[in-house]
Amino acid sequence: GAVVSQHPSRVICKSGTSVKIECRSLDFQATTMFWYRQFPKKSLMLMATSNEGSKATYEQGVEKDKFLINHASLTLSTLTVTSAHPEDSSFYICSAKLAGIQETQYFGPGTRLLVL
Amino acid sequence: SQKIEQNSEALNIQEGKTATLTCNYTNYSPAYLQWYRQDPGRGPVFLLLIRENEKEKRKERLKVTFDTTLKQSLFHITASQPADSATYLCALDKGNTPLVFGKGTRLSVIA
Repeated sequence: GAVVSQHPSRVICKSGTSVKIECRSLDFQATTMFWYRQFPKKSLMLMATSNEGSKATYEQGVEKDKFLINHASLTLSTLTVTSAHPEDSSFYICSAKLAGIQETQYFGPGTRLLVL
Repeated sequence: SQKIEQNSEALNIQEGKTATLTCNYTNYSPAYLQWYRQDPGRGPVFLLLIRENEKEKRKERLKVTFDTTLKQSLFHITASQPADSATYLCALDKGNTPLVFGKGTRLSVIA
């Protein structure tokens, strides 16, 4: 089946630094990728939709200058948390849809971010 | 906006029994309804998708029903095993739009 990877799986950083998370579709092309965050025992909350070659669409309440998304190729999207603060600590998960197939999303294993 | 409720936060069940999880939604009817499994510290894994014109879908020990009149989906795991213990998420899709997830039900299958 379709595989999505994320890197890094865990990251600890100091407050004020920026962190980049990569999301890759390993064996398929993904025209659309999604970024979610999840707090403990809570549901996945969509942050933004990332389309290859165009600007990401952010959900209401998500600061686009804070969470920079780049989808430079059909297999890679990156999320950069800029000037991270402790409240940005969360589990970040990406997903990808197969090009031409609009139904199923394939999720990455997630990235645990801890900002000290 | 779309609201999704999964019947309980946690469900305990004896091994071998059938686990039934409920997903209710309000407002518009989705084009698709999907069920995912999520283990602690991991991303969700797709299990089943059911379309609005389908009443039931099966995959091995899994069965999903979709009642657009009741605005409800039921997710069944028959002959449950301890390895089935996980959080199960339902997600709605209007079609070519981002998925909207429920909070999930944490299933524990007790040996």
